[in-house]
Amino acid sequence: NAGVTQTPKFQVLKTGQSMTLQCAQDMNHEYMSWYRQDPGMGLRLIHYSVGAGITDQGEVPNGYNVSRSTTEDFPLRLLSAAPSQTSVYFCASSYTGTAEAFFGQGTRLTVV
Amino acid sequence: KNEVEQSPQNLTAQEGEFITINCSYSVGISALHWLQQHPGGGIVSLFMLSSGKKKHGRLIATINIQEKHSSLHITASHPRDSAVYICAVNSGTYKYIFGTGTRLKVLA
Repeated sequence: NAGVTQTPKFQVLKTGQSMTLQCAQDMNHEYMSWYRQDPGMGLRLIHYSVGAGITDQGEVPNGYNVSRSTTEDFPLRLLSAAPSQTSVYFCASSYTGTAEAFFGQGTRLTVV
Repeated sequence: KNEVEQSPQNLTAQEGEFITINCSYSVGISALHWLQQHPGGGIVSLFMLSSGKKKHGRLIATINIQEKHSSLHITASHPRDSAVYICAVNSGTYKYIFGTGTRLKVLA
């Protein structure tokens, strides 16, 4: 039972580069979400999805795209990386939007 | 002012001590979550509660809806309890609001 698998664990990008953070869950959860964690701040919601084909913006969506073509996968795309996107990113899933959440191991992203 | 406030921000305890971490919130909620983040970075859900009290091993979580306050207690603390403890609330169907966390260090 893998739970939520998030890759990569670490990544360094140059300003302007693009990349995709992968997130997959094997619990058949409808609700998936992406957060960023910055020093001195709580986790902030970037984008979320309530099911395959349905996505919506969270608190800090600018510079990020998501898609949900299957229940299992919810990738996060950085279109043109900026130093302000240096952060730790977490993917999470839950059975519903208010149920217990399961988190991936996080991706530490540095944009130089 | 943050909608979810935790106290203290940092806490150092001796092994065996009873520990209390507090969470106050200012919004209406459907549920409150306590999460644990270990130094390696992974986040684990400890409790989800909407009323009363829950216990799991040495951990106890309580919530007072009228006072908009929750506490996480750790009995007989151990160095392996060293982590960041995060309070989060569901203020809407799909919205979590997170506190900034309490960094706990338990010394042997």
